[in-house]
Amino acid sequence: EAGVTQSPTHLIKTRGQQATLRCSPISGHTSVYWYQQALGLGLQFLLWYDEGEERNRGNFPPRFSGRQFPNYSSELNVNALELEDSALYLCANPGGTANEKLFFGSGTQLSVL
Amino acid sequence: KNQVEQSPQSLIILEGKNCTLQCNYTVSPFSNLRWYKQDTGRGPVSLTIMTFSENTKSNGRYTATLDADTKQSSLHITASQLSDSASYICVVSPGGYNKLIFGAGTRLAVHP
Repeated sequence: EAGVTQSPTHLIKTRGQQATLRCSPISGHTSVYWYQQALGLGLQFLLWYDEGEERNRGNFPPRFSGRQFPNYSSELNVNALELEDSALYLCANPGGTANEKLFFGSGTQLSVL
Repeated sequence: KNQVEQSPQSLIILEGKNCTLQCNYTVSPFSNLRWYKQDTGRGPVSLTIMTFSENTKSNGRYTATLDADTKQSSLHITASQLSDSASYICVVSPGGYNKLIFGAGTRLAVHP
């Protein structure tokens, strides 16, 4: 069974541009979580999608947005990129109940120049 | 403020040696504490998950302990291998994957 897959692996943009990151969840898993991992910092919760709807968002500005498609894959869009947006962006699926594993993709390394 | 602090920030050990990583947290309420291993350029992989009532959990050469009274956890790695070189992240959940509090991690390097 394929795990959580993310694309692209690396993305290089310049300030002011837009970035689109993609996530395909584990087959049959409807819930997708996005996290940002800046260098040297702990992961920060960005967005949560379930059944095609945004359920919750973290403490990030509105230029961070996304959507979930009918097949449960998801996109994260970052508009008006700033240098501090450079980070590893991780997508994750929960395993079931709140005490079960969270399965992460390998992430997209976004570099803003 | 909910926080998870890990120590040391980085650690170098020789192959075959044991090591212990520390995690202190100030998260309330408490649902569970997780340890993850993250290889460079990869996503975190779950090692252990402990609820309030569990004080030890093992996964192969990895053993996690939890003292909910002092709000401390440790991850002990036995007979280290080169493949153990990674960042180890402590995560505390007050409930809900959108509320996870992640530590900054301990970067472990195992040298031959």
